[in-house]
Amino acid sequence: AQTVTQSQPEMSVQEAETVTLSCTYDTSESDYYLFWYKQPPSRQMILVIRQEAYKQQNATENRFSVNFQKAAKSFSLKISDSQLGDAAMYFCAYREGATNKLIFGTGTLLAVQP
Amino acid sequence: KAGVTQTPRYLIKTRGQQVTLSCSPISGHRSVSWYQQTPGQGLQFLFEYFSETQRNKGNFPGRFSGRQFSNSRSEMNVSTLELGDSALYLCASSISGTGLEAFFGQGTRLTVV
Repeated sequence: AQTVTQSQPEMSVQEAETVTLSCTYDTSESDYYLFWYKQPPSRQMILVIRQEAYKQQNATENRFSVNFQKAAKSFSLKISDSQLGDAAMYFCAYREGATNKLIFGTGTLLAVQP
Repeated sequence: KAGVTQTPRYLIKTRGQQVTLSCSPISGHRSVSWYQQTPGQGLQFLFEYFSETQRNKGNFPGRFSGRQFSNSRSEMNVSTLELGDSALYLCASSISGTGLEAFFGQGTRLTVV
C-alpha cells in the first residue's frame, strides 16, 4: 500500500525567509501525482502545487516550488519570501494515476514569525 | 464560479443516532470524494463517487455509506454514531474521473456526544 510520510510535525520561519517542508512516499506504481495542500485555521484544504510523476521538471507556482526526486521518492516543498498568510498546516498527498483517491501525510504545521 | 459547498457546517449528534452530510461539487465536476479528518488518524479516504457510482472505498465500517445523485451532488450517511466518529468531514470534487486537481469544501464538523 502507498504511504506518505512527513517527518516534520512543526516548522517555523521568519517572514521573508525561505523554508523547506519534507515529504517522502512509498509506491510501486509508475504513474501517480503528488500534491501539497495547505489547510489554514478555516480548515478548507487549498491546493498549493502539484507534480506529475512522469514530468522530470520540478513544478513551480509563484513563491512555491518543489524538489521532486522520483528515485528517492522524495517531494519537498520550498516556500520563498515567506508571508504571514503562509502560516497553516501543510499536507503532502499522493494520488494514483487511475483514481481520485488521495493519501495524505500527517502534516507539517508551519508558523511564520514577523 | 461557486466552490464546493458542504452542509451543514457544524453538527452535534448523540451516540446511536444517524447523520447525513451533503456536498455540492463545483459545476461540471462529476467526481466527489469524502475524507474524514481527526487529530489521531489524520486525513483518511472514505469513498469516491463518479457518475452516481461508487468507484473507490476506504477502510471504514459499513456504518459509513454514501451516494451521488444525477446532478453530482453527494451525500454521506453515518448510522449508529459512535464517539469516535467525531471529526471534520471533507468533500472534494474533481472535473473528471481522474482530474488532476481536487477542490475541497470547508467541511462539516461533526461532534458526537
